Amino acid sequence: GENVEQHPSTLSVQEGDSAVIKCTYSDSASNYFPWYKQELGKGPQLIIDIRSNVGEKKDQRIAVTLNKTAKHFSLHITETQPEDSAVYFCAAILTGGGNKLTFGTGTQLKVEL
Amino acid sequence: GAVVSQHPSRVICKSGTSVKIECRSLDFQATTMFWYRQFPKQSLMLMATSNEGSKATYEQGVEKDKFLINHASLTLSTLTVTSAHPEDSSFYICSARDEGTGEKLFFGSGTQLSVL
Repeated sequence: GENVEQHPSTLSVQEGDSAVIKCTYSDSASNYFPWYKQELGKGPQLIIDIRSNVGEKKDQRIAVTLNKTAKHFSLHITETQPEDSAVYFCAAILTGGGNKLTFGTGTQLKVEL
Repeated sequence: GAVVSQHPSRVICKSGTSVKIECRSLDFQATTMFWYRQFPKQSLMLMATSNEGSKATYEQGVEKDKFLINHASLTLSTLTVTSAHPEDSSFYICSARDEGTGEKLFFGSGTQLSVL
C-alpha cells in the first residue's frame, strides 16, 4: 500500500517569511495529492490539492509542487501570518475504486511575530 | 468547498454507556463516508469506510461490534461507540467525498470524546 512521509514535524518561522513542507510517497500510481490544515480541536480543512498531470498549482499565498519522478510534493506558504499557525497534513491516493487516502504524519507550523 | 457537519463537537460520558456521533453532508450527496480517529499530536487513523445502503468496511484492528456504523442515507452516517471505556477517549472525525468534484475529500469538525 501507499506510504507517505512528511518533513519537518515542526517548523517555526518569522511572520512574513516563507514556509515549506515536504512529503514523499511510495506508490508511483498515486495521482491525487491534497493538503490539509488542521487547527486545534477542529477537523482538517482542504487548502489546496494537485493532480499528477500538473507540476505546480498556486492559490494566493499557497502553492504546491509535484515531482512525479522523485515522488515528492511540497507545500509552499509565502508571506506567512500568525493565522497560518496550525498542523498541516499531506496526503496521497490513487483515485477510483476502493483506494483510501494515506496521510503524512503532520507538520506543526508556528508563525512567530 | 463542500460542507460536512459533525455533531456533537464534544461529549463526556460514563464508562459503559454508548455514544452516537452524526456526520452529515450538507450540500452534496455522499455514497461513501469515512471515519477517522486521532490521538493528540498524531495523524489521522482510518477506522472504517461507511457505504450507503450496505455494511461498513473496517480497517484491520478496529472492532466492528465496538464501533457501529450506519449509513442510512446519502447525506448521513453515524458512528456509535458502544460500551465506551476510557481508552476509547479520542478525537473522532468523519469525512465525505463530494463525488461531483471527483476526488476531493471534506472533513467534519470532529468530536472530542471523553469517557470517565
